Amino acid sequence: QVTLRESGPALVRPTQTLTLTCTFSGFSFTTNEFCVAWIRQPPGKALEWLARIDWDDDKYYTTSLKNRLTISKGASSDQVDLTVADMDPLDTATYYCARIRIAVAGGYYYHYMDVWGKGTTVTVSS
Amino acid sequence: DIQMTQSPSSLSASVGDSVTITCRASQRINTYLSWYQHKPGKAPKLLIYAASNLQSGVPSRFSGSGSGTDFTLTISNLQPEDFATYFCQQGYTTSPDFGQGTRLEIK
Repeated sequence: QVTLRESGPALVRPTQTLTLTCTFSGFSFTTNEFCVAWIRQPPGKALEWLARIDWDDDKYYTTSLKNRLTISKGASSDQVDLTVADMDPLDTATYYCARIRIAVAGGYYYHYMDVWGKGTTVTVSS
Repeated sequence: DIQMTQSPSSLSASVGDSVTITCRASQRINTYLSWYQHKPGKAPKLLIYAASNLQSGVPSRFSGSGSGTDFTLTISNLQPEDFATYFCQQGYTTSPDFGQGTRLEIK
């Protein structure tokens, strides 16, 4: 069974750096079949993809937040971390991690998120 | 980025009804479109991938279609557990852009 679980602080102060950890199990992050992504959803708003890390350590970030985001493999082989620098109240959201499955059709690679964590809610407030 | 526009943003239906949700991409994305169901406090759940492929374990009352820029998710014979928020996501480019979501409520 594939599971992912997000962990991190529930409350951060403005200007602080947020560090979240995604701990996963049930799959191996050693082939190009899977990646791990971070997504967030502010209250009442749509989902927003933040970052993705591939098995070979390639990293991708959403353009609007690229300067503030760092995604990395964690201390353990079953963890992926996300740091968000200079937190602002507008960063208040539920943060999710998800497994991305890479598939091929007609010679073209595409992807979808086949398993998600339940999310962790982060509030930014002084 | 590819803009994903879902409609309607919300709808009301009764148990046993059929509903259709649409998702339009701002550029062609082949069939690389996924649909998810999200309930409060729960992990989002993959329903459909590659526009029309039913994820394992998902009831057959869920179906998807479309290609290029226009896609639909149809839920037939609505069950009480289907009332949730649904959103689409394009898997054509590295950045997986999401639709804004459609909230399905009980009438």
